[in-house]
Amino acid sequence: DAGITQSPRHKVTETGTPVTLRCHQTENHRYMYWYRQDPGHGLRLIHYSYGVKDTDKGEVSDGYSVSRSKTEDFLLTLESATSSQTSVYFCAISEGGSGGYEQYFGPGTRLTVT
Amino acid sequence: GESVGLHLPTLSVQEGDNSIINCAYSNSASDYFIWYKQESGKGPQFIIDIRSNMDKRQGQRVTVLLNKTVKHLSLQIAATQPGDSAVYFCAARRGGSYIPTFGRGTSLIVHP
Repeated sequence: DAGITQSPRHKVTETGTPVTLRCHQTENHRYMYWYRQDPGHGLRLIHYSYGVKDTDKGEVSDGYSVSRSKTEDFLLTLESATSSQTSVYFCAISEGGSGGYEQYFGPGTRLTVT
Repeated sequence: GESVGLHLPTLSVQEGDNSIINCAYSNSASDYFIWYKQESGKGPQFIIDIRSNMDKRQGQRVTVLLNKTVKHLSLQIAATQPGDSAVYFCAARRGGSYIPTFGRGTSLIVHP
């Protein structure tokens, strides 16, 4: 398995509170991604990073922000959690370039916003 | 944009049979395709990929077929085993992009 960990693995929080999810990789891959997975929608891209301090929005970025201060860590923050952000969140990495663009996924974080 | 879809939300097979899971994509500029397997409670796991300059690629018990004319790809699993029970979904990437588009998935159920 690719060296990707996510923390926490489960979290229950209240509406309006800030939440930060962490993705940590030991593969030194350039690209990192945050997805959410919901029934009937499949995987939807929230934000991605193509290098340290280089990030961009995905298709469902509203209400989320990210930061990448070092290669191995990619943080996803919900500034003020809403019930619509209840989901399973997956981090993914890819090497890029000649190393290929296939993505490898972490184990996921199940977030419940009450 | 790109849309990626699977033809069947659920596929039930008997242990030992061959399974075929289908996927269609919309963007003719897509040049790279990946199949993932996702077991319950886990993250998606890379199975096999194929580039648009190929029609077929084989792995261990799996084969991916690509038909660019009709923008269709399939994943064939030989001698399906109970451990193959999972959700399978395909992803397509447009040339020049490193962001794939994912389909929604087909749930493969293997009956012993």
